[in-house]
Amino acid sequence: GAGVSQSPRYKVAKRGQDVALRCDPISGHVSLFWYQQALGQGPEFLTYFQNEAQLDKSGLPSDRFFAERPEGSVSTLKIQRTQQEDSAVYLCASSRGATGGGFQETQYFGPGTRLLVL
Amino acid sequence: QKEVEQNSGPLSVPEGAIASLNCTYSDRGSQSFFWYRQYSGKSPELIMFIYSNGDKEDGRFTAQLNKASQYVSLLIRDSQPSDSATYLCAVNRAAGNKLTFGGGTRVLVKP
Repeated sequence: GAGVSQSPRYKVAKRGQDVALRCDPISGHVSLFWYQQALGQGPEFLTYFQNEAQLDKSGLPSDRFFAERPEGSVSTLKIQRTQQEDSAVYLCASSRGATGGGFQETQYFGPGTRLLVL
Repeated sequence: QKEVEQNSGPLSVPEGAIASLNCTYSDRGSQSFFWYRQYSGKSPELIMFIYSNGDKEDGRFTAQLNKASQYVSLLIRDSQPSDSATYLCAVNRAAGNKLTFGGGTRVLVKP
């Protein structure tokens, strides 16, 4: 596709419910990132994939958060037993590659999934 | 101290004036620096990136980097009402690694 796509765009969950957020990166992009953005704040890193390998998950706030990218393309961020503090916009970004620097490392963001936990 | 600091604003500038945005970072290992613009309810979109000390110009935008002072800035010349948005400064340590964002500076351009 032309850009990064995410679905659903909006999700309302009851506290304790499990949710799954999907990200379709730009075709051919090797690197994929998940960020969490609270209202009025800058995005905060959650996790990073290079192809299907999850190379950094240091930003995942708890073991209720899990991400995968089994075939090195589409990624899913799963949140189990959602809590009210999980309410935020979840942004996915992709970049061309992990090597070479320069333009290749520029991250392009999807529209985000706005999650509201009641 | 946050890793990347920005004044939250709002920075109010008259149409046609220069908007000057500042960003400081704490990690001396930072190598790449990015400015993103984010309209309310939308996702961040890249304005420009800079790697070397000095100035980099792209249209009405100029990024300035001073690694010794751990400081990066963005100038917007001939500001337009459509420039009203939140501007996010982001840094990373190496190619492919995570971006660390500041909290953003809200800019309001008044006609």
